Amino acid sequence: DGGITQSPKYLFRKEGQNVTLSCEQNLNHDAMYWYRQDPGQGLRLIYYSQIVNDFQKGDIAEGYSVSREKKESFPLTVTSAQKNPTAFYLCASSGPGLRDEKLFFGSGTQLSVL
Amino acid sequence: AQSVTQLDSQVPVFEEAPVELRCNYSSSVSVYLFWYVQYPNQGLQLLLKYLSGSTLVKGINGFEAEFNKSQTSFHLRKPSVHISDTAEYFCAAQQTDSWGKLQFGAGTQVVVTP
Repeated sequence: DGGITQSPKYLFRKEGQNVTLSCEQNLNHDAMYWYRQDPGQGLRLIYYSQIVNDFQKGDIAEGYSVSREKKESFPLTVTSAQKNPTAFYLCASSGPGLRDEKLFFGSGTQLSVL
Repeated sequence: AQSVTQLDSQVPVFEEAPVELRCNYSSSVSVYLFWYVQYPNQGLQLLLKYLSGSTLVKGINGFEAEFNKSQTSFHLRKPSVHISDTAEYFCAAQQTDSWGKLQFGAGTQVVVTP
């Protein structure tokens, strides 16, 4: 079945540590996104990518980094500069092409600080 | 830029009763509007969307929403809820030229009781 796979489901970060969240899609979608979800705040866009080897900052990119070396993959690294990383992280994709407005979401990764 | 306001953070409702979730948006340009549903510890699923045309939009699971341009609203309704409709519901807006970059409301938690 086609879909978006996020791993791990739960992740713990120690102080000063970088951690990477995985997002893989087999939907042949061009665009991929990372959202952060905090209770009572809805979802906020961290980074997005419309094509391989290109990505743009969203509304809350500070303390995060991404790469898009393959169409299927869009990993998110939460760096030590992100002082409040505890949240639910959702990866999404849309397409094929860039003019499809519907987002498909993965099942999320819950990141907590030890 | 646009913003989305969901007027109720939580809506309790009895099984088989109707429910309405309120959403207002503000934007200086044309927008597309969406409702997504999130079940516990899962990603989001699209319920319905308004792009253009008829202002009454029907979605999955018996939900419908009405776009009201003069009141800048996009309220979601269901005439008779089931226990399985217990979930969090998000209203979202996207500028028509910003594919995939959604602005989400804070969410409304619907709790259906027998």
